[in-house]
Amino acid sequence: AQSVSQHNHHVILSEAASLELGCNYSYGGTVNLFWYVQYPGQHLQLLLKYFSGDPLVKGIKGFEAEFIKSKFSFNLRKPSVQWSDTAEYFCAVESQGNLIFGKGTKLSVKP
Amino acid sequence: SQTIHQWPATLVQPVGSPLSLECTVEGTSNPNLYWYRQAAGRGLQLLFYSVGIGQISSEVPQNLSASRPQDRQFILSSKKLLLSDSGFYLCAWRKLSWEQYFGPGTRLTVT
Repeated sequence: AQSVSQHNHHVILSEAASLELGCNYSYGGTVNLFWYVQYPGQHLQLLLKYFSGDPLVKGIKGFEAEFIKSKFSFNLRKPSVQWSDTAEYFCAVESQGNLIFGKGTKLSVKP
Repeated sequence: SQTIHQWPATLVQPVGSPLSLECTVEGTSNPNLYWYRQAAGRGLQLLFYSVGIGQISSEVPQNLSASRPQDRQFILSSKKLLLSDSGFYLCAWRKLSWEQYFGPGTRLTVT
């Protein structure tokens, strides 16, 4: 069965620090990959997605992610975080039409 | 535009009581619909998905069931709640592009 691993449960950063959240998946075939974000008290919403093409994907709010097929990874990055980026971040891989989610990473940004 | 509604927003139920959570989608037709449970530190677990009226697939055998009586209505039910059913339940819909759009969720506490 496919699985998605997010290695960091909780990340605490100061504003302006750079962010990288790890995501690894187990499936070896063609994959669609996603990062979702859940801000406190809000809906889960799509941050960015990768289907094919350029492995460096740009998302909303300055986030980007890089698909590295050889490493089965899809890490999320942001050069300079803001307090408003405090949220929980979920990596997901599409499998047979359904999404398999990682356990999520809570990001706390200190002002 | 499409919107997704869930109700109730919060629910406190005693062990052994029945459950009915409702999800409706507006602005689209024949969507794929999903129920997830989000538990702290465990990410999102897919419970059920439906590709059409009356068509339900269960991902995890458990105390819950789902029904889709209408095209844009998805119901999560239980005859007798267990303590372990507590959690945050999310409904989602998807059409064509592999992105899933999530509802606001229902916080269920079983006491």
